[in-house]
Amino acid sequence: RKEVEQDPGPFNVPEGATVAFNCTYSNSASQSFFWYRQDCRKEPKLLMSVYSSGNEDGRFTAQLNRASQYISLLIRDSKLSDSATYLCVVTRQPGRRALTFGSGTRLQVQP
Amino acid sequence: GAVVSQHPSRVICKSGTSVKIECRSLDFQATTMFWYRQFPKQSLMLMATSNEGSKATYEQGVEKDKFLINHASLTLSTLTVTSAHPEDSSFYICSARDERPDTDTQYFGPGTRLTVL
Repeated sequence: RKEVEQDPGPFNVPEGATVAFNCTYSNSASQSFFWYRQDCRKEPKLLMSVYSSGNEDGRFTAQLNRASQYISLLIRDSKLSDSATYLCVVTRQPGRRALTFGSGTRLQVQP
Repeated sequence: GAVVSQHPSRVICKSGTSVKIECRSLDFQATTMFWYRQFPKQSLMLMATSNEGSKATYEQGVEKDKFLINHASLTLSTLTVTSAHPEDSSFYICSARDERPDTDTQYFGPGTRLTVL
């Protein structure tokens, strides 16, 4: 079983749509959680950290459920520029800052 | 914001040659840097953790004698792919950990695309 599992997609949505991505992780000792965005042939860029209390950054809302080991990302009012691969990322174990990446969910926003 | 650079951005080499990739943190010191590899349509996989002034920690299945890591200063880590073969062709990405108070964030370099003929 992969440490971080994501639906690979692709998700094809029209502009303005709301789209949700889910992710599960297997290591219950994971302490930090993130969503990264990766454009084709580029390095990943941090989109937002994820907290149990939930956090919002503009059109993006992230949620963490530690009991279910489940992370979500909601994108409202999708823009063409949101088209990318979204990576669910966790730190492997306490005190160790190496990141474990999910395989990513591809989003294509269409005009 | 903090910037991490990698050089070269792209390299094409013949099978059997060695390739050195540099990762630099440009405006902060990084005692810890990480090297990842990404094959097409796959996720980033951690290869090794580079520690300034000490030996790198390699992930299971990564050959330390093939992928030599040197972290000689607080702003530079190098990855040398020795005797490269076509199966080593991949996208190599480093990240550097900014451990200053109130940050503790990782920043990724732009990656190096290696093609071994």
